[in-house]
Amino acid sequence: DAGVIQSPRHEVTEMGQEVTLRCKPISGHNSLFWYRQTMMRGLELLIYFNNNVPIDDSGMPEDRFSAKMPNASFSTLKIQPSEPRDSAVYFCASRVGQLYGYTFGSGTRLTVV
Amino acid sequence: EDKVVQSPLSLVVHEGDTVTLNCSYEVTNFRSLLWYKQEKKAPTFLFMLTSSGIEKKSGRLSSILDKKELFSILNITATQTGDSAVYLCAVGTQGAQKLVFGQGTRLTINP
Repeated sequence: DAGVIQSPRHEVTEMGQEVTLRCKPISGHNSLFWYRQTMMRGLELLIYFNNNVPIDDSGMPEDRFSAKMPNASFSTLKIQPSEPRDSAVYFCASRVGQLYGYTFGSGTRLTVV
Repeated sequence: EDKVVQSPLSLVVHEGDTVTLNCSYEVTNFRSLLWYKQEKKAPTFLFMLTSSGIEKKSGRLSSILDKKELFSILNITATQTGDSAVYLCAVGTQGAQKLVFGQGTRLTINP
């Protein structure tokens, strides 16, 4: 199994540009999570999906952030327009059922200049 | 609001020492507590604990949960430089699928 696959690994963009982060969960995992990690705030949950349906998006910072999961094997997190304070590592994680821990992807390091 | 607090935030020891990392929590409807190790990239899963008083062990690492006092410890014996990492504690609650993470403990093992 290839694990949770995220792309790109690194993204550097200018303030105001649109950024799209991608995630492919492990096949068979029915829950998908987007987290953001910074030195100041640690790991923060942005949104999660269960069976492709968004369940809790209360962690999404503001309207500039949106996430979709059009099918069981793909999800996107979009930031439009991006701002320097969005710079962080964005992790996607998936799991099957509540009895198991998450499996994290390698993350996307986003730098907005 | 659900909260997970880890201590210490940072720890530096010599190779061969034993370390104990702490995690306390205040959550509604506790279900499970998980430990992760994060080196340069993604957190990797170490343990999941759901029952009080039962130790989980994997080589030199072990963890135990106290549901009455609302905390867990992660022990690492005979530390090696490869144990240097950030150790994250997370708590899952009944009904909600998300995990709430602590800030992590940055462990540095010096040769």
